[in-house]
Amino acid sequence: QVQLQESGPGLVKPSETLSLTCAVSGYSISSGYYWGWIRQPPGKGLEWIGSIYHSGSTYYNPSLKSRVTISVDTSKNQFSLKLSSVTAADTAVYYCARDNPTLAMPIDYWGQGTLVTVSS
Amino acid sequence: SYVLTQPPSVSVAPGKTARITCGGNNIGSKSVHWYQQKPGQAPVLVIYYDSDRPSGIPERFSGSNSGNTATLTISRVEAGDEADYYCQVWDSSSDHPFCVFGGGTKLTVL
Repeated sequence: QVQLQESGPGLVKPSETLSLTCAVSGYSISSGYYWGWIRQPPGKGLEWIGSIYHSGSTYYNPSLKSRVTISVDTSKNQFSLKLSSVTAADTAVYYCARDNPTLAMPIDYWGQGTLVTVSS
Repeated sequence: SYVLTQPPSVSVAPGKTARITCGGNNIGSKSVHWYQQKPGQAPVLVIYYDSDRPSGIPERFSGSNSGNTATLTISRVEAGDEADYYCQVWDSSSDHPFCVFGGGTKLTVL
């Protein structure tokens, strides 16, 4: 059973960088699929942030691309998100998930999500 | 960019059939996935590739996709089906695939 677990600070100050990590268990990241981040502001819909392959190949949401970096650590079977210059608009529940943009596959496994609040 | 349009809300009586639509330009040429999200929980995949059901999802859930509209159909609706539902596609019109979600539909069981 594939499981994903997000971790990171729940509070980030405006203009700083949001950093989250997703630990994957039950499946080796190196075996395939892409690994992505999706967020959901309180009371709103889902927004895809981007995805990464174990080789390091990435796809990003164009609206966030200038501020986003997704990286992978296959030795730890985890991947990470960095979002720079955050504002209150970046307050959201952040989910990590398994997907595959190149094959139009569904997002079949999701983490439980972690709430990140941007506030001074 | 590609846009998916869902009705904000759908209401249905228990035992009846709920239909949730997802509109997009020539969406019939894309693969549509549907997710169910209950309050405080992560989304769960309920339909993939237009009409396939993951294991563990009741047969009451079905999907179709043609022309400019994809539809999630829930037959014999139960109270436990009350949730937000999102459609999703990958927009591959450029070299960089882009995940697009619909705005979500709140299903209320009367």
